[in-house]
Amino acid sequence: DQQVKQNSPSLSVQEGRISILNCDYTNSMFDYFLWYKKYPAEGPTFLISISSIKDKNEDGRFTVFLNKSAKHLSLHIVPSQPGDSAVYFCAAIEANTGNQFYFGTGTSLTVIP
Amino acid sequence: ETGVTQSPTHLIKTRGQQVTLRCSSQSGHNTVSWYQQALGQGPQFIFQYYREEENGRGNFPPRFSGLQFPNYSSELNVNALELDDSALYLCASSLRRSGGQYFGPGTRLTVT
Repeated sequence: DQQVKQNSPSLSVQEGRISILNCDYTNSMFDYFLWYKKYPAEGPTFLISISSIKDKNEDGRFTVFLNKSAKHLSLHIVPSQPGDSAVYFCAAIEANTGNQFYFGTGTSLTVIP
Repeated sequence: ETGVTQSPTHLIKTRGQQVTLRCSSQSGHNTVSWYQQALGQGPQFIFQYYREEENGRGNFPPRFSGLQFPNYSSELNVNALELDDSALYLCASSLRRSGGQYFGPGTRLTVT
């Protein structure tokens, strides 16, 4: 069963506009969430994370929002740049008891110059 | 500080053969996790090693096995290869079992 879902396989955005990538999860025990970015022929690279005690975490152009009641998180990229074009994965874990990160299937973001 | 490295980069094997994939963790990291990423899917957890012992396993059969060495490098062994084992195998190291993970570039395994 897919405990972390990314329902949009792809997203295209104009340079300078906002990119919003979405992620849903089913396990209410997840308490730590991460976003990874993956370029072809490279491993995923950590981008930003959020703990369940927060509902927002910001790092430069990247902001992650967490809605625990909806079991939903989103990644906002503002402004989007062509170098942001990559596949984005969200991942979740029960940080205190777990060792297994559950990944979504990824969203391929294309930023059009 | 060196990052996570994996070898080989690409590998082609035939069904029924055995394969060993290698991973060197980031300096100072004592935990290594292995993932299988099939085409169009997210990484799927295979197992994790913490201080040379297996520390959790995903939904993979026993023919997937591993080792972690005193220097925290790791191996993933797959016996009796099947066509469905064709995938990108990712290794990730971290400072602790649920810590942020740093991924290697992966090994692309093709089983024919």
